[in-house]
Amino acid sequence: SAVISQKPSRDICQRGTSLTIQCQVDSQVTMMFWYRQQPGQSLTLIATANQGSEATYESGFVIDKFPISRPNLTFSTLTVSNMSPEDSSIYLCSVEWAPNYGYTFGSGTRLTVV
Amino acid sequence: AQSVTQLGSHVSVSEGALVLLRCNYSSSVPPYLFWYVQYPNQGLQLLLKYTTGATLVKGINGFEAEFKKSETSFHLTKPSAHMSDAAEYFCAVSDRGVYSGGGADGLTFGKGTHLIIQP
Repeated sequence: SAVISQKPSRDICQRGTSLTIQCQVDSQVTMMFWYRQQPGQSLTLIATANQGSEATYESGFVIDKFPISRPNLTFSTLTVSNMSPEDSSIYLCSVEWAPNYGYTFGSGTRLTVV
Repeated sequence: AQSVTQLGSHVSVSEGALVLLRCNYSSSVPPYLFWYVQYPNQGLQLLLKYTTGATLVKGINGFEAEFKKSETSFHLTKPSAHMSDAAEYFCAVSDRGVYSGGGADGLTFGKGTHLIIQP
């Protein structure tokens, strides 16, 4: 399966600032996905990042708040902008490493906004 | 749009007993179905998946699940629980290709079931 390196693994940030999370995959993938897992909750899809085009955002998530870059087939970043305590969550990236083989997840970034 | 319902936010079983975690889905097309496990402070690990073919799917750690189209269900079972099975379990669905022109779609997750194993 694909191996995903995600960093930082955790961070504590001041409200009003921004944090950029990086996701590196050890193989080329077409789609990369970003999820949020709020404390004690399930995972919610934020957006889908396809190399060479703008990310597609799910309802309730906007590009100004969560800008995404996808410069090549192995890398993506998610920025959490103008953070508030409500943004405290675990953010995960994911890829489908081969058709019908399931989705692999990064280890996540645990973000605390104070 | 698809949705996933996991009945029971917490399930408690005795060690050695049958584990049954329920998952029902709604989807406008035949879905791809997944079960993931999340151990405390760890990432998500794929237990098993159903895409096409045999409806009884076997996964890792002795778990299996059966896709029942008529019941729109994909319940997860394990014949004999072990203490190490204590974790959070998530059922997820993907309408592969319907919304992305044939490419991969993101997953819709259920709310999760916390499995507790009693000694």
